[in-house]
Amino acid sequence: DAKTTQPTSMDCAEGRAANLPCNHSTISGNEYVYWYRQIHSQGPQYIIHGLKNNETNEMASLIITEDRKSSTLILPHATLRDTAVYYCIANNFGNEKLTFGTGTRLTIIP
Amino acid sequence: NAGVTQTPKFRVLKTGQSMTLLCAQDMNHEYMYWYRQDPGMGLRLIHYSVGEGTTAKGEVPDGYNVSRLKKQNFLLGLESAAPSQTSVYFCASSPGLARSSYNEQFFGPGTRLTVL
Repeated sequence: DAKTTQPTSMDCAEGRAANLPCNHSTISGNEYVYWYRQIHSQGPQYIIHGLKNNETNEMASLIITEDRKSSTLILPHATLRDTAVYYCIANNFGNEKLTFGTGTRLTIIP
Repeated sequence: NAGVTQTPKFRVLKTGQSMTLLCAQDMNHEYMYWYRQDPGMGLRLIHYSVGEGTTAKGEVPDGYNVSRLKKQNFLLGLESAAPSQTSVYFCASSPGLARSSYNEQFFGPGTRLTVL
């Protein structure tokens, strides 16, 4: 699986959009981009995934650049409950394992 | 549905003691996983299983054994606990690639283990 690089930490004001970047410059054509988050002391939670196209669900939007070397997770209206560590993972289709890095610690500020 | 449950939630062991952590899922998932998470670090895969009766090593398997005798349960054993195994242990399950085109894992609440 391709290595991903994320900022160590970010702050965002409550009610604003939180944009979390992820670099995956060595990603291959078969690798999906996954995002998980981990709220303090809890197990990680799946957010969204994508291959080439932008994706949106009830939690977030995922924007993948055309060359697929980077992506951005967007939380459109951040709340205090979105304070968590966010993990970006590149995972080859057919690989049953996920490799979690250290992620981005997002703090939502009132 | 309870989802993924883990037993116990907390445990303190002395060096050399043994114990078993139990993970149970009620979603009929094929795949199950055990991770450990040390302070300030991401999750590291210990062992995993892609079906009843199967197990495989992950990134940090040494000092641990696992068994998947029933589809819904995945046991993690520590035969002789060491202080280096002090960690938070998370279990997860996923439908499996035969049932889903993507790898969404569902996590349990974790077990906090301290080895003195």
